Amino acid sequence: AQSVSQHNHHVILSEAASLELGCNYSYGGTVNLFWYVQYPGQHLQLLLKYFSGDPLVKGIKGFEAEFIKSKFSFNLRKPSVQWSDTAEYFCAVNAHQAGTALIFGKGTTLSVSS
Amino acid sequence: ETGVTQSPTHLIKTRGQQVTLRCSSQSGHNTVSWYQQALGQGPQFIFQYYREEENGRGNFPPRFSGLQFPNYSSELNVNALELDDSALYLCASSNRVDTGELFFGEGSRLTVL
Repeated sequence: AQSVSQHNHHVILSEAASLELGCNYSYGGTVNLFWYVQYPGQHLQLLLKYFSGDPLVKGIKGFEAEFIKSKFSFNLRKPSVQWSDTAEYFCAVNAHQAGTALIFGKGTTLSVSS
Repeated sequence: ETGVTQSPTHLIKTRGQQVTLRCSSQSGHNTVSWYQQALGQGPQFIFQYYREEENGRGNFPPRFSGLQFPNYSSELNVNALELDDSALYLCASSNRVDTGELFFGEGSRLTVL
């Protein structure tokens, strides 16, 4: 069965620190990869996506993620976090031919102190 | 451009009852999917509707059913509620049927006592 693992349940950082959130998936076929973010009190929204091409993708608010096919990974990074990045981050996988069905990880809560 | 709206935002039911949750898609979106998010977990795919027909389903029993209307709004119905059905139910819409690039609503929180 397909699954997504997020390595960290809760990450606490100070402003300006660098961020890397791990995500690994298990699926043997072609996939689309996503990071979604949920800011406090807001709905889940797309942060960035990978469909094909350059494995390094850039999203909103300075976030980027790198797809490493050999490692089945899609880690999220940001060089310098801000207090406003405090949120819950979800990695998700969508297998080709699976329509809009996303397999989500359990999420990582990021707390940034100013 | 309005976003995805869901109603009600919160509701409490007792075991064995039935519930209907409603969703209005983002303008121009013809595909709706529903997710269940239990506390401390990521969202779990229930099913997808396109052109008023279910065309994808996750690992949920038949007592979870849905409808999509000509205006692309949607309903999620759950019969014979169980305690484990307590969760946040998320509706998401898309203008494509073949992508996980979704626009989510804020959800309906269901508590089953």
